[in-house]
Amino acid sequence: GAGVSQTPSNKVTEKGKYVELRCDPISGHTALYWYRQSLGQGPEFLIYFQGTGAADDSGLPNDRFFAVRPEGSVSTLKIQRTERGDSAVYLCASSTGAQETQYFGPGTRLLVL
Amino acid sequence: AQSVTQLDSQVPVFEEAPVELRCNYSSSVSVYLFWYVQYPNQGLQLLLKYLSGSTLVESINGFEAEFNKSQTSFHLRKPSVHISDTAEYFCVLQGQGGSEKLVFGKGTKLTVNP
Repeated sequence: GAGVSQTPSNKVTEKGKYVELRCDPISGHTALYWYRQSLGQGPEFLIYFQGTGAADDSGLPNDRFFAVRPEGSVSTLKIQRTERGDSAVYLCASSTGAQETQYFGPGTRLLVL
Repeated sequence: AQSVTQLDSQVPVFEEAPVELRCNYSSSVSVYLFWYVQYPNQGLQLLLKYLSGSTLVESINGFEAEFNKSQTSFHLRKPSVHISDTAEYFCVLQGQGGSEKLVFGKGTKLTVNP
């Protein structure tokens, strides 16, 4: 079956602009996660959704970052007033529920000029 | 706080040689442990996992890892590597009992040379 998909695969933007990154989880997966991977580092947790609600957003670095999952399926990560330090690969993962295996998408590579 | 340390950022080996990728972790709570692999131009894939029970876990392609609680380690080994094993390997932990986030090490780039 289809895996986790993320769009766009690459995004180039200018400092100060707003961006949206989309994640389509595996069908039927109730849990959805966002991670950020900076160059030379392992992925770092940003936020976790169980259904429509954000159950843990402790990894969001500041209030410029926001994520939604209004219907409990597709999720959008939103970044306001982008900064050069936001440049990274943003990864989405989904699972069938709490403490189950997380399946990762290919990521969106964001470059802020 | 929880953390994962992968002691080698790069490991070059020759084909058919044995390999060990080292991983140590720190956590104040019990953990689940994983190895994820990222092949060139592909997404992260689960290689193997330790949840409970036998401390030695194996993958379908010949890798194994042993959970050592006293040494807080979860080293990954393979007795004979192939060119196709060239990839980046991440050691990962997840706290038991409600924590959903995965905590990743920085990764080890395994390069298998002919």
